[in-house]
Amino acid sequence: DVKVTQSSRYLVKRTGEKVFLECVQDMDHENMFWYRQDPGLGLRLIYFSYDVKMKEKGDIPEGYSVSREKKERFSLILESASTNQTSMYLCASSLLSPLNGEGEKTQYFGPGTRLLVL
Amino acid sequence: QKEVEQNSGPLSVPEGAIASLNCTYSDRVSQSFFWYRQYSGKSPELIMSIYSNGDKEDGRFTAQLNKASQYVSLLIRDSQPSDSATYLCAGGTGFQKLVFGTGTRLLVSP
Repeated sequence: DVKVTQSSRYLVKRTGEKVFLECVQDMDHENMFWYRQDPGLGLRLIYFSYDVKMKEKGDIPEGYSVSREKKERFSLILESASTNQTSMYLCASSLLSPLNGEGEKTQYFGPGTRLLVL
Repeated sequence: QKEVEQNSGPLSVPEGAIASLNCTYSDRVSQSFFWYRQYSGKSPELIMSIYSNGDKEDGRFTAQLNKASQYVSLLIRDSQPSDSATYLCAGGTGFQKLVFGTGTRLLVSP
């Protein structure tokens, strides 16, 4: 079974704090993703990485950065937390899809981190 | 047009009935599709994936893909109260990425 773990289930931070969210997967997946999920807006991609030290911006990267120093670990960093970053943060991983043929691979999600910024 | 669209619901069905969940997609979405179930406060879990035109069955679940009409559906037979959740439809887009619909909330009443 794929296992994706996230460092915290619940987190409360103050405005302006630097926040680190960590995600670890144990299935040797190349791809890792960070999403946020808000009511009525669904899942929105913040950043993803398809290899160590590689990162690509998603749809809403502003105010976030990421780090992938090891294949199994993908960190999301809020440089200076703001109240509008209060949300559920979900990490996911998947195998690398071939550029032609089979299409995108299933993404497996971690349990999520509910972040409250006061 | 959104890349993946779903009716937000709620879709209410009685226990034992068939629940039918639908999803339409735009030209920007590729031909790989996924259905996830998400219970309140939990993360999405995969139910089914479908890549080819037609039906794919797994237990009480059947996914249907119609590429000509650009829709994907999920049928849940013999619905149970434990099936009450939000169902997310997702499709491939761009490089290695999925785009998700906002989900349809399903309520199964005993």
